[in-house]
Amino acid sequence: EADIYQTPRYLVIGTGKKITLECSQTMGHDKMYWYQQDPGMELHLIHYSYGVNSTEKGDLSSESTVSRIRTEHFPLTLESARPSHTSQYLCASSAQGTDEQYFGPGTRLTVT
Amino acid sequence: AQRVTQPEKLLSVFKGAPVELKCNYSYSGSPELFWYVQYSRQRLQLLLRHISRESIKGFTADLNKGETSFHLKKPFAQEEDSAMYYCASSGSARQLTFGSGTQLTVLP
Repeated sequence: EADIYQTPRYLVIGTGKKITLECSQTMGHDKMYWYQQDPGMELHLIHYSYGVNSTEKGDLSSESTVSRIRTEHFPLTLESARPSHTSQYLCASSAQGTDEQYFGPGTRLTVT
Repeated sequence: AQRVTQPEKLLSVFKGAPVELKCNYSYSGSPELFWYVQYSRQRLQLLLRHISRESIKGFTADLNKGETSFHLKKPFAQEEDSAMYYCASSGSARQLTFGSGTQLTVLP
């Protein structure tokens, strides 16, 4: 079944640790996105990719990095987690020719 | 920069009453407008988009370019409509800008 998967769903980690949030989609979409969302607040775009080997930073400055080696996979990495990174991270994808995005279930990250 | 404004963070209505969730956008071109909904413990999902001009779950939204608005309406709210609603707009960069969301509660 076509879907977007995010793992882990919840992560509690200590300051200074390196973490990777996984996002995979079987939608066949070329475009993928990462958003950061604090509770009850708007979504902020932090990274996006329009295809393999293409990544761009979004509107919200982020210390995270992303890679797009395979069409279906768009992981996000934090080299050294800090409490300010505590948030929910949402992955999304969309097909070429449309701005309609499909979202994954999200990863709720807590950095202690 | 493009902005999407949802002036109400919280909105409560009684079951059977009409409901309107407000959305205003700032993009001066021809944006594509969307409403997304997030039910409790579920992922964010598309509710409707203006170019399809359809009604989903009884909800409709009309694009008013003069007022730069895209308000979401339903004539008779149901308890299952209780959720977080986000308005989103895409501009020249073909990326979505989201509003801050409106938490709708439909009271029995």
